[in-house]
Amino acid sequence: DTEVTQTPKHLVMGMTNKKSLKCEQHMGHRAMYWYKQKAKKPPELMFVYSYEKLSINESVPSRFSPECPNSSLLNLHLHALQPEDSALYLCASSQDHGLDYGYTFGSGTRLTVV
Amino acid sequence: GENVEQHPSTLSVQEGDSAVIKCTYSDSASNYFPWYKQELGKRPQLIIDIRSNVGEKKDQRIAVTLNKTAKHFSLHITETQPEDSAVYFCAPKSGGSYIPTFGRGTSLIVHP
Repeated sequence: DTEVTQTPKHLVMGMTNKKSLKCEQHMGHRAMYWYKQKAKKPPELMFVYSYEKLSINESVPSRFSPECPNSSLLNLHLHALQPEDSALYLCASSQDHGLDYGYTFGSGTRLTVV
Repeated sequence: GENVEQHPSTLSVQEGDSAVIKCTYSDSASNYFPWYKQELGKRPQLIIDIRSNVGEKKDQRIAVTLNKTAKHFSLHITETQPEDSAVYFCAPKSGGSYIPTFGRGTSLIVHP
């Protein structure tokens, strides 16, 4: 299995809703990432998990809450989002955060906040 | 943090032509230099990468060249095809932070 799987593919949520994005990989990668991508822009890093521990939080608002239940799973819990949070949310993994390997990205969750 | 510039922002070529995209970076400690391709509505995909101890790497129609002294690396695509149309991102990785910094992207359009 050489893929990163993200669910759901599309999500529409109200500003008072709570929802979760899920990400799964079975490549034995020890680093997993959440990125946010707006239209016609590069991906922006949100969080880095290395060996299941949060190692980097790029000053992301607390309405985004990551969770890494085990080495294969990464979740992003969403609460009280704003319309400007609408974007494509990409999960990625790599063999090891500190080594020179590229990322494998999931297909993303296209989130719309209404 | 690392400053990354990618040029051109848009590149339009005829099928069969070559395309070159350049990425300049500021951190002399950067040691890993990948290129990602993102087709419309799809995920970014790693298409080629190079490490700092190598000057050039080739994979069929694509190649990457690295000039560490001048702090830039380039993506070369030969014999372009319509399916090469996509946005291409460079993302040099700093040896200090281990975080890649994505360039702003180059939209490549290959006309049949």
